[in-house]
Formats: sequence, C-alpha cells, structure tokens
Amino acid sequence: GAGVSQSPSNKVTEKGKDVELRCDPISGHTALYWYRQSLGQGLEFLIYFQGNSAPDKSGLPSDRFSAERTGGSVSTLTIQRTQQEDSAVYLCASSLNVGPYGEQYFGPGTRLTVT
Amino acid sequence: TQLLEQSPQFLSIQEGENLTVYCNSSSVFSSLQWYRQEPGEGPVLLVTVVTGGEVKKLKRLTFQFGDARKDSSLHITAAQPGDTGLYLCAGAWYSGGGADGLTFGKGTHLIIQP
Repeated sequence: GAGVSQSPSNKVTEKGKDVELRCDPISGHTALYWYRQSLGQGLEFLIYFQGNSAPDKSGLPSDRFSAERTGGSVSTLTIQRTQQEDSAVYLCASSLNVGPYGEQYFGPGTRLTVT
Repeated sequence: TQLLEQSPQFLSIQEGENLTVYCNSSSVFSSLQWYRQEPGEGPVLLVTVVTGGEVKKLKRLTFQFGDARKDSSLHITAAQPGDTGLYLCAGAWYSGGGADGLTFGKGTHLIIQP
C-alpha cells in the first residue's frame, strides 16, 4: 500500500510569507506526527494528532506555527510570516496506534527554504 | 525534557570492519527505536526495543536495550557500503495523558568505504 506522502517536496518562500505543508498519512493510521529536521539539530518533535485532536501543542516553536487535521486523515502544517530560521525539512509520520510502542512511518519530508 | 546523546556523530570505516553506535539518556524510556535515513528520504524504522536487556538481531545488525532502559547500542558486523547512511535512535515515553512524539538523538553519519 501507499506510504506517507508529503507535498510539496520543496518550497522556497520569501521571508514574511505564509506557507502550508501537507501530509497524507497511511490509510487507517490514527496517529499523525510532525517533526522538523535542521542541519546539526536532529529531528525536533512539533505536534501529534490522535484522530483530529492535538492534545499538546507545546512543541510548536512559536505562535506562527499551527497545524490541523481533518477527517482523521490529511494534516496541514501552516507557518505564518516565515523567518529564515524556519528553513528546515519538515517530516510527517503516522502510526497505527497512539503510544510509545507504535511504529512510526515517515514521509519523505518537505524541504522549506526561506530567503 | 528527555534528551538522547548519540555517539559517535561521524564514523568512516572500511568495508568489513565492525562498529558500534551508542545512544544514552538520563531518562527511562518506554521503548527505544533505531532508524536509518538516506538523503532526501524520511527515516525508516529498523527495530523497536521495549524490555530492559533486550537484544534484537537484524542480519548483521545487533541492537541492545540497556537493563535500566536508559541506553541502547547498535552494532554492525562486517560493515558493507550499503550500510552507509544516517542512523538515528529515538526514545518514546507514555505520559499517561497521551502519547508524545519521539525524542531523537542527533544521529550518527556512517560511511563505509569500499
């Protein structure tokens, strides 16, 4: 079956513009996660969804970041008024169940460059 | 805040050699996962270890979870050029109020030279 897909694969935007990143999880996976990967910083957890609900948004770097999930499937991560420090690869993952034993399957990521 | 220290950060060895990558934390994790990531792709899960002292083998790769569930190691025997990649350890914990995301180490960049 199809894996996790993300779009766009690459996005170049000017500082101050808004961007929207999309994630299509594996069908039937109830949990969805967003991470950010920066050079030298490793993967940073941003937010997770159980169904359409995000119980904890404290991992989002600032109030310019928001995420939503609709229909228990597609999720979008929105960054408003982008800054150069937002440049990174944004990875989405999904898993069948919530919990520490669930295997997370990652998409290929969206590489965001803010100029 | 749970932190995972991964070492070494970079490792370049010759084909056929053995190597070990370490992942250490001061926190106890519910489980620990090892991923491998290639350029332009997302991480791919290699193994999940759950029980303290657990050892799992995947062909030439041996994964071990520490008795106290605070550390783990990945050992590769007779490394091959195809083993080249970024190896990431990731710890998971269950807060009781819901699942949190994985805490990743910064990764080990492994290069196996023919």
